[in-house]
Amino acid sequence: GAVVSQHPSWVICKSGTSVKIECRSLDFQATTMFWYRQFPKQSLMLMATSNEGSKATYEQGVEKDKFLINHASLTLSTLTVTSAHPEDSSFYICSASGTGINDEQFFGPGTRLTVL
Amino acid sequence: GEDVEQSLFLSVREGDSSVINCTYTDSSSTYLYWYKQEPGAGLQLLTYIFSNMDMKQDQRLTVLLNKKDKHLSLRIADTQTGDSAIYFCAESRGTSKIIFGSGTRLSIRP
Repeated sequence: GAVVSQHPSWVICKSGTSVKIECRSLDFQATTMFWYRQFPKQSLMLMATSNEGSKATYEQGVEKDKFLINHASLTLSTLTVTSAHPEDSSFYICSASGTGINDEQFFGPGTRLTVL
Repeated sequence: GEDVEQSLFLSVREGDSSVINCTYTDSSSTYLYWYKQEPGAGLQLLTYIFSNMDMKQDQRLTVLLNKKDKHLSLRIADTQTGDSAIYFCAESRGTSKIIFGSGTRLSIRP
């Protein structure tokens, strides 16, 4: 089946620093990638949708200048959390679509971000 | 607006059937999904059903859809300890944007 990886799987950073999270589709070309955020014991909330080579579309309430998304190739999207603060601590999950049944989204394993 | 609701917890005895329920509000939903999330992991698509179907069975999993009541359920037969996880109900209109419920934490007791 289609595999999506994320790197790193967890990261701890100091407040004010920026953190980059990578999402890769390993065995298929992902025309669309999605970034979700999951708070403890809560559901996944879609942050943004990105198509290769174009600007990401952000959901209402998500600051595009704080959460920078780049989808430069059909196998890689990056999410950069700029000037991170403790309230940005969360589980970030990406998904990718472009193959499979009904443009099925394949989810990465997630990245746990802790901001001190 | 779009909303998906499900109960937060379910506890069942090993070997019994588990039934996880979900309601949604968007009558335009085209696809309805069940995802499984194990601790610290991403989501695994378990099964999905088209909105024009009322039932789908896949080995131990049975999905029932009542489109009139906008009610979706997932039945897991012969529940095992490995089924312990959070189960998310989700819907989409085929535009790729998926709306997730809050998740139901399934725990198995011996």
